[in-house]
Amino acid sequence: DVKVTQSSRYLVKRTGEKVFLECVQDMDHENMFWYRQDPGLGLRLIYFSYDVKMKEKGDIPEGYSVSREKKERFSLILESASTNQTSMYLCASSFSGAGETQYFGPGTRLLVL
Amino acid sequence: GNSVTQMEGPVTLSEEAFLTINCTYTATGYPSLFWYVQYPGEGLQLLLKATKADDKGSNKGFEATYRKETTSFHLEKGSVQVSDSAVYFCALTIQGAQKLVFGQGTRLTINP
Repeated sequence: DVKVTQSSRYLVKRTGEKVFLECVQDMDHENMFWYRQDPGLGLRLIYFSYDVKMKEKGDIPEGYSVSREKKERFSLILESASTNQTSMYLCASSFSGAGETQYFGPGTRLLVL
Repeated sequence: GNSVTQMEGPVTLSEEAFLTINCTYTATGYPSLFWYVQYPGEGLQLLLKATKADDKGSNKGFEATYRKETTSFHLEKGSVQVSDSAVYFCALTIQGAQKLVFGQGTRLTINP
């Protein structure tokens, strides 16, 4: 069965802290994605990766960085968390190719105080 | 640019009612179209998809037809159940690209 897992379901951090969100997939997918979900805005792409050590900026990369050292793992890093980064973060993965289905993790709800 | 517009929510219906959630898109090139569903407390999961014009995607009683002439991909179900209560997202990818562009989501509540 297809599985994408995220390291935490809920996180509370303080402004200025460095935050790591981790995502692991077990489907040998080439592509991995990080989105944030906010009410009324749908999902917006932060970064994606199409191979180990490869990354591309999405629509809202400011304030975020990513790391992909292994094919199955994709990390999202908030270098210095701010209150406007309070959100739901969703990881996804897919095979490469247009029209491929993306498989999502359960999400991490992050609160920055 | 590429964008997806869904009907405003929330939508509230009674059990066994007919459902339509409208979705229109703007795209450069030839998109693939998707409906994803998010049940409470969960991530998104694919509901159905269509990859070329006039294709119909279907799953769990839901259907959507890729209409190139009206740039639409409306989601329909003939008789909804309480278990269909969720947030529904319309999305597209452009041929040659692998990123999904999402609509804002429509929250659906079905009352018994």
